[in-house]
Amino acid sequence: DAGVIQSPRHEVTEMGQEVTLRCKPISGHNSLFWYRQTMMRGLELLIYFNNNVPIDDSGMPEDRFSAKMPNASFSTLKIQPSEPRDSAVYFCASSRDSNTEAFFGQGTRLTVV
Amino acid sequence: AQKITQTQPGMFVQEKEAVTLDCTYDTSDPSYGLFWYKQPSSGEMIFLIYQGSYDQQNATEGRYSLNFQKARKSANLVISASQLGDSAMYFCAMRSSGSARQLTFGSGTQLTVLP
Repeated sequence: DAGVIQSPRHEVTEMGQEVTLRCKPISGHNSLFWYRQTMMRGLELLIYFNNNVPIDDSGMPEDRFSAKMPNASFSTLKIQPSEPRDSAVYFCASSRDSNTEAFFGQGTRLTVV
Repeated sequence: AQKITQTQPGMFVQEKEAVTLDCTYDTSDPSYGLFWYKQPSSGEMIFLIYQGSYDQQNATEGRYSLNFQKARKSANLVISASQLGDSAMYFCAMRSSGSARQLTFGSGTQLTVLP
């Protein structure tokens, strides 16, 4: 079975550029999460979708961040404009329903220079 | 609001010994789930074990078991017969309906297994 697929695995971009991270959840899963991981702040929940609808986006740092889930098999996290402090590993995770464990993608390591 | 606390930033254990990683949680919701994840140095997040708040028995998965003490709001992970490959960061997490079922993580414990 294919797990959660994220792309790209690594992204290096210049400050001010737009960055788009992509996620394909596990087929049949109806919950999707975006997390950011840094040494300083650990794992932070950015946004949580259930049945393609954003349920909680209180973790989105600021207006530069936006996330969409146009259908059950695809989600994007966009940063525009990017800043060096956005450098982190961004994880996407999905779960079958709202009670079960979430499975994580391999993450996207973002470096903004 | 829900909160997960892991008070051990780092732990050491001798190979083949058992180790307990602590996790306490806070929620006012009667229905919730508790999870443990492993993150090796390669970076991926690996699901280990799940405990539901209404489960009568402690969860077990191979060498992993969860010591669930509901009254104390603790969900400690026990790893038996530690192996060198168990060296990793371990995260405790929780989902409860009171927080719209989002998955909240603790700060993690770095476990090092010594040969």
